[in-house]
Amino acid sequence: GAVVSQHPSRVICKSGTSVKIECRSLDFQATTMFWYRQFPKQSLMLMATSNEGSKATYEQGVEKDKFLINHASLTLSTLTVTSAHPEDSSFYICSAPRTGYNEQFFGPGTRLTVL
Amino acid sequence: GESVGLHLPTLSVQEGDNSIINCAYSNSASDYFIWYKQESGKGPQFIIDIRSNMDKRQGQRVTVLLNKTVKHLSLQIAATQPGDSAVYFCAENIHGYGQNFVFGPGTRLSVLP
Repeated sequence: GAVVSQHPSRVICKSGTSVKIECRSLDFQATTMFWYRQFPKQSLMLMATSNEGSKATYEQGVEKDKFLINHASLTLSTLTVTSAHPEDSSFYICSAPRTGYNEQFFGPGTRLTVL
Repeated sequence: GESVGLHLPTLSVQEGDNSIINCAYSNSASDYFIWYKQESGKGPQFIIDIRSNMDKRQGQRVTVLLNKTVKHLSLQIAATQPGDSAVYFCAENIHGYGQNFVFGPGTRLSVLP
């Protein structure tokens, strides 16, 4: 099956610093990837849609200047949390659709803790 | 609109019993649905899907039922095992491939020994 990886799996950072999270499709190309955020005991909430070769589309209420998305290639999207604060602590998950499949393939998630 | 889960409903079942997890979806235009399983600290894992032109689909030990009239999905797990303990999400989608899924609030399934 299709594999999507994320790096790092866990990160702890100080308040005010920036953190970059990578999402890679390992065995297929993805022109679109999705970034979700999940708080404890809650569901996945879509943050933004990452598009290769164009700007990301952000959901209402998600600050584009705070959550920078770069879809650098057909297999890599990065989410940078800039000037992170404790309230940004969450589980960040990416997903990618794949040609010929209706389901989306999810990465294993990145646990961000901001101290 | 998107579903926001402020708390996670929990279903506790005895090992070996059947489990039924329910989900009310939000958009009558949704035409494709997936059940995902999420274990602690991991990303969602595909279990089974169903299109809106079907009302039932069976997999190995799992069955999904779709009632479009009342916008309701259910996931039935036969002979529930300890490894089934996880959070289960239904997700809805319009137009299938390439569009983001909207996730339901989730249900935590606890399998008792």
